[in-house]
Amino acid sequence: QPVLTQPPSASASLGASVTLTCTLSSGYSDYKVEWYQQRPGEGPRFVMRVGPGGTVGSKGGGIPDRFSVLGSGLNRYLTIKNIQEEDEGDYHCGTDHGSGSTFVYVFGSGTKVTVL
Amino acid sequence: QVQLQESGAGLVKTSETLSLTCSVSGGSILNGAYYWSWIRQSPAGGLEWIGYIYYTGNTYYNPSLKTRITMSIDTSKNQFSLRLTSVTAADTAVYYCARCMTTVTDNWFDPWGQGTLVTVSS
Repeated sequence: QPVLTQPPSASASLGASVTLTCTLSSGYSDYKVEWYQQRPGEGPRFVMRVGPGGTVGSKGGGIPDRFSVLGSGLNRYLTIKNIQEEDEGDYHCGTDHGSGSTFVYVFGSGTKVTVL
Repeated sequence: QVQLQESGAGLVKTSETLSLTCSVSGGSILNGAYYWSWIRQSPAGGLEWIGYIYYTGNTYYNPSLKTRITMSIDTSKNQFSLRLTSVTAADTAVYYCARCMTTVTDNWFDPWGQGTLVTVSS
């Protein structure tokens, strides 16, 4: 099954941009990935999905246009432009693998985003 | 809009059984477009998919936990439940329920509940 790797932390000044990376393990370059935002003290919230060709489907409810994604090779990126204080939190990526009795969903370890 | 709310014991003794219920409001658990999921988050922060259940009662569990998990669904109450047996300190986590959006090729979780902390202690 795929393994997702995320850097533990990232930061950006208020109003600047930050790009988060989720890297799939070798052999899974055609996989889509979902991004989830988790603000402090809250449950995760679906942001959007990204495949090797870019955005897949619609954004989650209430996700502003400042959020965008890109896919390249084994990497899936989430960019936050004009970052706001409300964007601070943990960002998790996840993907599914298999079907039926072999189905499993795996998450990366998450990236903590700090707004300076 | 659909909302999910977890409930259950916050403290469970080592070797006993963890039991949680998720109440769904704003939509029917009978909607065949969705699966109903449990996910947990360890104190270190990592997320782990536990499993999910369809309205028919069909279940799919994480292989790493499947020998200890039972999920059930009560369509009359619009609720689904999780039982995890023989718990240890490693099962201490925040437990989330979530709706799993499903297509032919993809699955993702939206929305999630607010989570409930379960602590395992002797």
